[in-house]
Amino acid sequence: DQQVKQNSPSLSVQEGRISILNCDYTNSMFDYFLWYKKYPAEGPTFLISISSIKDKNEDGRFTVFLNKSAKHLSLHIVPSQPGDSAVYFCAALDGGAAGNQFYFGTGTSLTVIP
Amino acid sequence: KAGVTQTPRYLIKTRGQQVTLSCSPISGHRSVSWYQQTPGQGLQFLFEYFSETQRNKGNFPGRFSGRQFSNSRSEMNVSTLELGDSALYLCASSSGNRHYGYTFGSGTRLTVV
Repeated sequence: DQQVKQNSPSLSVQEGRISILNCDYTNSMFDYFLWYKKYPAEGPTFLISISSIKDKNEDGRFTVFLNKSAKHLSLHIVPSQPGDSAVYFCAALDGGAAGNQFYFGTGTSLTVIP
Repeated sequence: KAGVTQTPRYLIKTRGQQVTLSCSPISGHRSVSWYQQTPGQGLQFLFEYFSETQRNKGNFPGRFSGRQFSNSRSEMNVSTLELGDSALYLCASSSGNRHYGYTFGSGTRLTVV
């Protein structure tokens, strides 16, 4: 059962425009969320995170929004650049569990068109 | 500082064989986790080790096992390989603080033929 879902397998955006990647989750115990970016033949790299006590976190061109009531988070990239083309995974951490088990979505492949 | 190192990068095995993958975490990191990535399934959690003890285990059959050594290096073993085990296996390390996320290695691409 997929507890973290990324329903858009792919997204194409023109350079300079906004990219919005979405993620939904089902487990209300999730209290920490992260976004990772993955290039082919490389491991995922950490991008940005947000705690459930916040509804927004910004880091440069990247902003993550969390809507707890809707169990939804989104990643905004403004402006989008060709180097942002990659697969983006959202991940959630179960606050009630021991250890560091992150639940990942299936990823969204972003293509930024020059 | 050096990142997470996984060896080998690529591996081809035959059905029924067993395989051992290795992961060296970032120096000072005591938590090592393993994930399996397959197309359409995203990253599926296998297990996490912290200070040589398995702290969490995902929903994988007993053919998948792991261990962690005193220097925090970890190995993952898959016995009686099946075609469906073909995947990218990723190792990630963290300091153990649950809110700092992971640093991933580049992975081992396992192909079972």
